[in-house]
Amino acid sequence: EDKVVQSPLSLVVHEGDTVTLNCSYEVTNFRSLLWYKQEKKAPTFLFMLTSSGIEKKSGRLSSILDKKELFSILNITATQTGDSAIYLCAVYSGGGADGLTFGKGTHLIIQP
Amino acid sequence: DTAVSQTPKYLVTQMGNDKSIKCEQNLGHDTMYWYKQDSKKFLKIMFSYNNKELIINETVPNRFSPKSPDKAHLNLHINSLELGDSAVYFCASSQAPGVGYGYTFGSGTRLTVV
Repeated sequence: EDKVVQSPLSLVVHEGDTVTLNCSYEVTNFRSLLWYKQEKKAPTFLFMLTSSGIEKKSGRLSSILDKKELFSILNITATQTGDSAIYLCAVYSGGGADGLTFGKGTHLIIQP
Repeated sequence: DTAVSQTPKYLVTQMGNDKSIKCEQNLGHDTMYWYKQDSKKFLKIMFSYNNKELIINETVPNRFSPKSPDKAHLNLHINSLELGDSAVYFCASSQAPGVGYGYTFGSGTRLTVV
């Protein structure tokens, strides 16, 4: 069974800090890894990664994939209170019900 | 102009009842999904539906059945509701199977079984 493990499960930091969220996976037939941000409602898409070593960047957020070591990190620099959310890592492998396999998420709290 | 919309947003019902949750997407996507998010915020795939092909996660009880009247709709019907069915159910769609990009979630339906 495909498995996605995120760490830490929760993290509290102060505004302005930089955080790194981790995601490791064990899947057969890996195709892509995705990061989502979930606030009160639906998860919203952040990044999709398919190739090793290529950083995806959007503003203060960036992510990179290591397909050899089977993990990805999501970095957030100069954090703001609006970054408080659950960050979900998911992997698509085409298995199961052909959907995404999610990790349990990292609950990030940014204190003013 | 909501991309993936679900109704109702909240649903409270008694054990043993049958209920449905509706989902519609206006993105022209070919594949639709249902996910269940439990109280610990763990999201798990239940079904995917593409071009009349239904793929079911084997852990989903057969009391749950998706119904798709057309490409833009995938409704979730639940028979004989149990307390453990209480969760948030998310509908999602994507352009094609295996395409992570463009994977869009609805805002969720919070189901409470009492």
